[in-house]
Amino acid sequence: GQQLNQSPQSMFIQEGEDVSMNCTSSSIFNTWLWYKQDPGEGPVLLIALYKAGELTSNGRLTAQFGITRKDSFLNISASIPSDVGIYFCAGLNYGGSQGNLIFGKGTKLSVKP
Amino acid sequence: NAGVTQTPKFRVLKTGQSMTLLCAQDMNHEYMYWYRQDPGMGLRLIHYSVGEGTTAKGEVPDGYNVSRLKKQNFLLGLESAAPSQTSVYFCASTSRGGKGYTFGSGTRLTVV
Repeated sequence: GQQLNQSPQSMFIQEGEDVSMNCTSSSIFNTWLWYKQDPGEGPVLLIALYKAGELTSNGRLTAQFGITRKDSFLNISASIPSDVGIYFCAGLNYGGSQGNLIFGKGTKLSVKP
Repeated sequence: NAGVTQTPKFRVLKTGQSMTLLCAQDMNHEYMYWYRQDPGMGLRLIHYSVGEGTTAKGEVPDGYNVSRLKKQNFLLGLESAAPSQTSVYFCASTSRGGKGYTFGSGTRLTVV
C-alpha cells in the first residue's frame, strides 16, 4: 500500500527558531494535508494543498506541494512554546470510491522555553 | 458546536469482551472513517464508509466490524477484544470532495 516517509521523527528547538519537516512518498497524491495533534486530542488541520507547486501559508506556517506530487514540506517560523505537539503529513487521492487519508508517522516537536 | 463526537472517551476491556465505539457527526458528511493510532505508527485506517449503508475495509480491518445505518453515525465494533487492540481510536468525517477531514477527540481503549 501507499506509505509516507515523514522526517524528522522528532526535534528540539530553541524558541524563536524556524522549523522544517517534510514528507515523501513513492506514489503521487492529489492533495497534501498537514495536521497538528495535541496530547489527548484528535488531529487538527493546519494547511491543505491541492495543486503541484502550490505554496500556502497560515500565519507562521508555510507548506508546499512538491512539483512531482510525491512530496511536501511544512515550515514553522519563529517557533513558540505552543507549537509543541505532533505534526502529521497526510496524502489524499479522491480516485474511485475511496478517498481516504494516508498518514505519515509524525514529527514530534518540542520547544525549549 | 458542530463536529465529530466520539463515545466513550476511555474504556478498559478484558480479553474476549466485546464493545462498540460510537462516532457521530452533525456536518452532513458523506464519508466517515475509523483510524487507530499506536506509538510510532501514526494513524492507520481500520474501516471507512462512503455513504449510509456502505462500509469498506481499510489497512488494518481484522478484528473489527463497522456499521453505518444512519448517515450521521459510524459504529466500530470489537467482537472479541485482544490486547493487540489496545490503542487510541479516532473517527473522522469529510464531505464528498471535501478539503480535509474533521477528527473526533479519540477513544482510549485498553484491553487487559
